[in-house]
Amino acid sequence: NAGVTQTPKFRVLKTGQSMTLLCAQDMNHEYMYWYRQDPGMGLRLIHYSVGEGTTAKGEVPDGYNVSRLKKQNFLLGLESAAPSQTSVYFCASRDRGYIQYFGAGTRLSVL
Amino acid sequence: DAKTTQPNSMESNEEEPVHLPCNHSTISGTDYIHWYRQLPSQGPEYVIHGLTSNVNNRMASLAIAEDRKSSTLILHRATLRDAAVYYCILMGHPNTGNQFYFGTGTSLTVIP
Repeated sequence: NAGVTQTPKFRVLKTGQSMTLLCAQDMNHEYMYWYRQDPGMGLRLIHYSVGEGTTAKGEVPDGYNVSRLKKQNFLLGLESAAPSQTSVYFCASRDRGYIQYFGAGTRLSVL
Repeated sequence: DAKTTQPNSMESNEEEPVHLPCNHSTISGTDYIHWYRQLPSQGPEYVIHGLTSNVNNRMASLAIAEDRKSSTLILHRATLRDAAVYYCILMGHPNTGNQFYFGTGTSLTVIP
């Protein structure tokens, strides 16, 4: 079972560059989430989606965009990366129940 | 937004029970209490959740105070693999609650 897969696992960007993080889930879940985790901190919600074609802002959405064109994929975009976006990014999915399933994370450094 | 308060860190000897406390004095009547844990360099994983009654599963037990303003995650026999950060989280009903607030959690050290 693949579960939630995040691509890439590591990435280094220069300030101002753009990139897209991909999250794919094979559990046919409706809900998907993007979080960031800074050193010594808990996870903070960036954006989420309650179904294909829908997105909504979370706690810290500024500087990020998302898209959910297909039910199994949730993309997180950084249009112009900043050093403050250096973090570990986690994707999660949830069915109509209570449990979120997380990916292994993407470590992003912005220089 | 309902918030939780947890100790920053705790220690336990291997094979002994561990009681991880969580205070959530502003919990609403429809908030579920969830526990997740995060092992080093991994994403969080679900441990257990409950609403009012105590809950047991293969990983742990959840004891919820009668007034629901606090709860305790119980690991019955700590192993080295239980060393992780444990997060206590409140979430509304799945049909309406879409935001988890993780807080900083409790870092559990298991001593051999």
